[in-house]
Amino acid sequence: GAVVSQHPSWVICKSGTSVKIECRSLDFQATTMFWYRQFPKQSLMLMATSNEGSKATYEQGVEKDKFLINHASLTLSTLTVTSAHPEDSSFYICSATDRTRLGDTQYFGPGTRLTVL
Amino acid sequence: GNSVTQMEGPVTLSEEAFLTINCTYTATGYPSLFWYVQYPGEGLQLLLKATKADDKGSNKGFEATYRKETTSFHLEKGSVQVSDSAVYFCALSPTGNQFYFGTGTSLTVIP
Repeated sequence: GAVVSQHPSWVICKSGTSVKIECRSLDFQATTMFWYRQFPKQSLMLMATSNEGSKATYEQGVEKDKFLINHASLTLSTLTVTSAHPEDSSFYICSATDRTRLGDTQYFGPGTRLTVL
Repeated sequence: GNSVTQMEGPVTLSEEAFLTINCTYTATGYPSLFWYVQYPGEGLQLLLKATKADDKGSNKGFEATYRKETTSFHLEKGSVQVSDSAVYFCALSPTGNQFYFGTGTSLTVIP
């Protein structure tokens, strides 16, 4: 149980375009979802936390107008990278939890590799 | 503040060798501590966790003990296998909402 999927697993786009990444909890209802960014050989950096039905809370230094997060249902959150640039190329990972049932353990998706040309 | 410091890799061991990956943390309050593992091409998977001092998390032969006095949560396994080759992340969570990860340690086990 507690499986999280991400789609797509990798995407290549041109500079200036927008890219949407989906994160789904497959067998549980995710009251909270998280979006991370991982640079090569570096740790995961939390970008934002979103609770179903409310606005996402962004970490300091993360542009909320550039990284749009929508958590419209208990099983789906989306991250849209708007007007992507090469410096946005990274590995984006989502995680999800249902604290009422799963406690404080987060379950991670497999990640999405974004390459902006 | 909250942070995790993890030993740098990569680590290369022969099969059946003893593994230790060091992890120390800085935290306000009493966080939960975690080890996650990332196999090639896959997402992070929870390996084990401990929620309070002196707790020992264990799974698949891996163990880690929550040491408050040394602020450590070192990962150990007595006899590694080739299938253990992966990247291991130490993490802490003060509240369950925010996770703070170490930089990851790549482990390669050779036959």
